[in-house]
Amino acid sequence: DGGITQSPKYLFRKEGQNVTLSCEQNLNHDAMYWYRQDPGQGLRLIYYSQIVNDFQKGDIAEGYSVSREKKESFPLTVTSAQKNPTAFYLCASSIQGYAEAFFGQGTRLTVV
Amino acid sequence: GQQVMQIPQYQHVQEGEDFTTYCNSSTTLSNIQWYKQRPGGHPVFLIQLVKSGEVKKQKRLTFQFGEAKKNSSLHITATQTTDVGTYFCASSLGNEKLTFGTGTRLTIIP
Repeated sequence: DGGITQSPKYLFRKEGQNVTLSCEQNLNHDAMYWYRQDPGQGLRLIYYSQIVNDFQKGDIAEGYSVSREKKESFPLTVTSAQKNPTAFYLCASSIQGYAEAFFGQGTRLTVV
Repeated sequence: GQQVMQIPQYQHVQEGEDFTTYCNSSTTLSNIQWYKQRPGGHPVFLIQLVKSGEVKKQKRLTFQFGEAKKNSSLHITATQTTDVGTYFCASSLGNEKLTFGTGTRLTIIP
């Protein structure tokens, strides 16, 4: 089946640890995105990438890092510099920036 | 930076009543997309509008794009319990940076 997969669904980490969230797509999409959603809030853009080996900061990139070494993969690292990392993280992809976005199931990160 | 504002933030309606959410931008939008997120789920694409004044319908849902391409609306006729969720508008804002509105959470009173 074609789609976009995020893993794990739930993730727990201790404060001060870096953690990497996985996002893989087999839709042959060029564009990929990472969003953060807090309870009752909208989606805020963390990073986006339009092509392999290139990515841009979104509105809340501080404390996060990404890589785009392969078209299919766009992992997000939540670093210890992120002051309030507990949130729901959503990865999305689209054929190109103007097309509909397909979302993964999301990863709920809890930092204790 | 550029923002897409959405109102209202919350809407509670009696089942069978109509519902409308509005999306506004201070700048001209190249396109507008609408998504629905069920409670506990992920956003799912509903539709995209690109032309000035465009109107599209999907069963009980009507989507409009303003003449100036700075605003959009989603109207649901005769709401049902299956319409529960948060509705988001989104736009690439002309630079391929897909930005979402703040969303409108719809709850239905049976």
